[in-house]
Amino acid sequence: SQTIHQWPATLVQPVGSPLSLECTVEGTSNPNLYWYRQAAGRGLQLLFYSVGIGQISSEVPQNLSASRPQDRQFILSSKKLLLSDSGFYLCAWTSGRSSYEQYFGPGTRLTVT
Amino acid sequence: AQSVTQLDSQVPVFEEAPVELRCNYSSSVSVYLFWYVQYPNQGLQLLLKYLSGSTLVESINGFEAEFNKSQTSFHLRKPSVHISDTAEYFCAVSDTGGFKTIFGAGTRLFVKA
Repeated sequence: SQTIHQWPATLVQPVGSPLSLECTVEGTSNPNLYWYRQAAGRGLQLLFYSVGIGQISSEVPQNLSASRPQDRQFILSSKKLLLSDSGFYLCAWTSGRSSYEQYFGPGTRLTVT
Repeated sequence: AQSVTQLDSQVPVFEEAPVELRCNYSSSVSVYLFWYVQYPNQGLQLLLKYLSGSTLVESINGFEAEFNKSQTSFHLRKPSVHISDTAEYFCAVSDTGGFKTIFGAGTRLFVKA
């Protein structure tokens, strides 16, 4: 069966510090991968998606970036965090053969202080 | 462009009462429709989906949703809610050939004893 992991689960970082969040998927190959941010009381904002290794599409221009160094690994990064980067970050995957339903990881709670 | 509107941000209801969570979407192309549920500090889980066929779809825990093409709606209903149904519910839409899913802002269902 397929599983999706995210780490860390929680993170508290000062403004201006770097960020690296990791997401890995097991039990499938060639998934489409997604990073979302969920701010308090708001819906999901799609940040990046990837349909293959090295292929990244950005939905929201900001100080975040994403990379996909391996087929089932998706990394969200920042060189300098802003207060507005605080939120709940969710990674998700869909089958490369269809984009029907998304499978979400447990999320990372990021607080920028 | 597609969009999803969840008409209620919060819905308080007593245990064993019926509930309806409303969802309207807009799209110029054929769509797939989803309801996801999110429990506190967790990722989203698929509750039910409409891809094609019968416009009434059901989940294993008693929820149902009906696709109404003329009204562009996909409302979620349950005839009798339990305390354990307390969660946030997200309506989502994706076009039939795309990679992206658009999520509504969410409806927080609070079931009271």
